Amino acid sequence: DTEVTQTPKHLVMGMTNKKSLKCEQHMGHRAMYWYKQKAKKPPELMFVYSYEKLSINESVPSRFSPECPNSSLLNLHLHALQPEDSALYLCASSQVGTEYGYTFGSGTRLTVV
Amino acid sequence: GQQLNQSPQSMFIQEGEDVSMNCTSSSIFNTWLWYKQDPGEGPVLLIALYKAGELTSNGRLTAQFGITRKDSFLNISASIPSDVGIYFCAGTRMDSSYKLIFGSGTRLLVRP
Repeated sequence: DTEVTQTPKHLVMGMTNKKSLKCEQHMGHRAMYWYKQKAKKPPELMFVYSYEKLSINESVPSRFSPECPNSSLLNLHLHALQPEDSALYLCASSQVGTEYGYTFGSGTRLTVV
Repeated sequence: GQQLNQSPQSMFIQEGEDVSMNCTSSSIFNTWLWYKQDPGEGPVLLIALYKAGELTSNGRLTAQFGITRKDSFLNISASIPSDVGIYFCAGTRMDSSYKLIFGSGTRLLVRP
C-alpha cells in the first residue's frame, strides 16, 4: 500500500461547528504532516508529527487541533473556524526526515460558511 | 513562510514541445524534489534529488540538482496533453529537515 488516504474529500461546515479531518497511511512512515493550500498557492506547512509526537507547529491558530492516535493515523480537529480557513487540507507522510520525499493524500476541500 | 523562486509562473505550449522550469534559492538545500499537482488532488512526487550535480530521469522528465545546491531544474520532453497541471519544486534545508519548502509553482497548459 503506497497511499495516503484522506476523508472526507469535501466538507462544508459552519463557523460554530466542530468537525475532524482524518488521514491514514500503511507505508510504515513515522512522520506525518498537515498542510494547508489556498487556491493557486503552494502548500503551507501546519504541523509535523514524528513518532506520534508533535514536533513542529507552524504558529497555527488553536482552532486547529492535531492528533496522532497511532503511527498510521493523523487527525485534524476543527472548531470555530473562519471563512478564510476555507482551503484544501493535505496530509502527507514520509520516512523520518524528508530526504525521501513526502507522499501526499488527495486532500480535503474545506469550505467554512 | 519562505518560498523558493520558481519560474516561469505559467507556460502555454504546443503538444510535442519540450518544457523547462527551474527553482532558485538564496540558501543551500540538501534535497530537491519535483511534484505535479492536478486540480482537486494532492501533489504527486515526480523526481527526488539528493546530491549536488545529480541528474535524474523519470520517463520524459529529467531533473538536476544544481552544483551550488541553490537551484534545480525540471525538463519535460515531447509534451503531451496529460502533462497539464501545476509543477512545484520543493526542498529541504540542512537546518530544518522536516520542513519541505515549496516553490510558487509553474502552471503548464498544453495545446493539442
